[in-house]
Amino acid sequence: AQTVTQSQPEMSVQEAETVTLSCTYDTSESDYYLFWYKQPPSRQMILVIRQEAYKQQNATENRFSVNFQKAAKSFSLKISDSQLGDAAMYFCAYRSSPHAGNNRKLIWGLGTSLAVNP
Amino acid sequence: EAGVTQFPSHSVIEKGQTVTLRCDPISGHDNLYWYRRVMGKEIKFLLHFVKESKQDESGMPNNRFLAERTGGTYSTLKVQPAELEDSGVYFCASSQLGDVDEQFFGPGTRLTVL
Repeated sequence: AQTVTQSQPEMSVQEAETVTLSCTYDTSESDYYLFWYKQPPSRQMILVIRQEAYKQQNATENRFSVNFQKAAKSFSLKISDSQLGDAAMYFCAYRSSPHAGNNRKLIWGLGTSLAVNP
Repeated sequence: EAGVTQFPSHSVIEKGQTVTLRCDPISGHDNLYWYRRVMGKEIKFLLHFVKESKQDESGMPNNRFLAERTGGTYSTLKVQPAELEDSGVYFCASSQLGDVDEQFFGPGTRLTVL
């Protein structure tokens, strides 16, 4: 069974600085998707970034980028130029490839609470 | 376009009572998922509908939980009778059919069983 581990329950960063959130996972599958979701306080969970395992290039979305190390089963999220609005709970999640069947469920880490200090 | 909505936002019930949670997915989304986050633990998958059919219900904890999706539109999750360990936040998500399957989440229903 697949597992996702986020070992940092809480992190903090100064506004405008860069922070990296860690995520490791375990799977025997070769094709899968990895996600970072963000849940601001009292608001809905939103997708931050997605990485397909077959792609070697790391995904980037504006100030958000990932460091995907497939052999090490590591998927960290880097937030550059941190803003106050980045304060949220960040969840790392895993999903099997759709080509492997109809298993579409997301498998989640515990989450990392990120505080952004002005 | 309206997002995923869930009702109620918060429910407090006593052990042994029944509660029904509702999820309205984004219009046109055939996939509908239920997840639950118990305090201090990971978010866990409960089940997945494709239209009105249960595609995967491997995460349902026990037979006290019953999920339905009438006509492939909104979904309900009923807990009967509720136990203390059912407390948590219940999230609903929806997505379009297809490989990408980006799941859009509702705000969640916080269930407290006393």
